[in-house]
Amino acid sequence: EDKVVQSPLSLVVHEGDTVTLNCSYEVTNFRSLLWYKQEKKAPTFLFMLTSSGIEKKSGRLSSILDKKELFSILNITATQTGDSAIYLCAVGGRRGGSNYKLTFGKGTLLTVNP
Amino acid sequence: DVKVTQSSRYLVKRTGEKVFLECVQDMDHENMFWYRQDPGLGLRLIYFSYDVKMKEKGDIPEGYSVSREKKERFSLILESASTNQTSMYLCASSPAGLREGAYEQYFGPGTRLTVT
Repeated sequence: EDKVVQSPLSLVVHEGDTVTLNCSYEVTNFRSLLWYKQEKKAPTFLFMLTSSGIEKKSGRLSSILDKKELFSILNITATQTGDSAIYLCAVGGRRGGSNYKLTFGKGTLLTVNP
Repeated sequence: DVKVTQSSRYLVKRTGEKVFLECVQDMDHENMFWYRQDPGLGLRLIYFSYDVKMKEKGDIPEGYSVSREKKERFSLILESASTNQTSMYLCASSPAGLREGAYEQYFGPGTRLTVT
C-alpha cells in the first residue's frame, strides 16, 4: 500500500521566519511528487517533482526531491500571513490501471502570525 | 485556465436520503476523481474514472457510487446518506497519457455536506 507521511502536522511561526515542510513516501513505481497549497477552498498546485536533486522555485517557495531517500522538502522563506494554509504532499505511482492516482499525505497546517 | 466546478458549496441532507454531487470540468480531461477530506485524515480517494463509463474504486468506496455518462461530468452518489458521510467532498480532474503533466490534478471548490 502506498504511503505518504508529512511532518510536522502543524506549525506556528512569525512573519519573516523560514519554514521547512517534510514529506516522505513509499510508493510502487514512483512517477512524481506534487505539492499543493490549500486555504479555505480547493487545493491549488504548487510544484511537481520527478527528478532527484533539481530544485523547483517559485518566488519565496522552493522544493526538492530525493528519490534515493524517498523524501521531499518544501521551503518557504520570509513567510507572510498569506502563507497560512494546509500544505499537501501527494505522490503518483504507476500500477496497473491506476496510473493516475495520487496518494496524499495528511497535510501540514502552517500558521503565520504577524 | 482549467476550471472544475461542483454543483453546491454547502449541502444539508437527512439520514437515508439519496444524495447527488455533480462535478464538471472544461479542459477535456480524461481522468476525474472524487475525494473526501476530513480533519486528521487528509484527502482520501473514493472513486475515479479514466474514461466515459469507466470507473475504479479508490480507497474508501463503501457507501458511494459514481456515474460518468459524459467526459466532462462525474457524479458522486450517496445511495442512503449516513451521518458518517458528513465531510468535505472534492472533485478533481487530470489529463491522461504518460507525459509528466498527467499527475497534476485540478480541484473544484468542494462541497461541504452535512448529514443530520
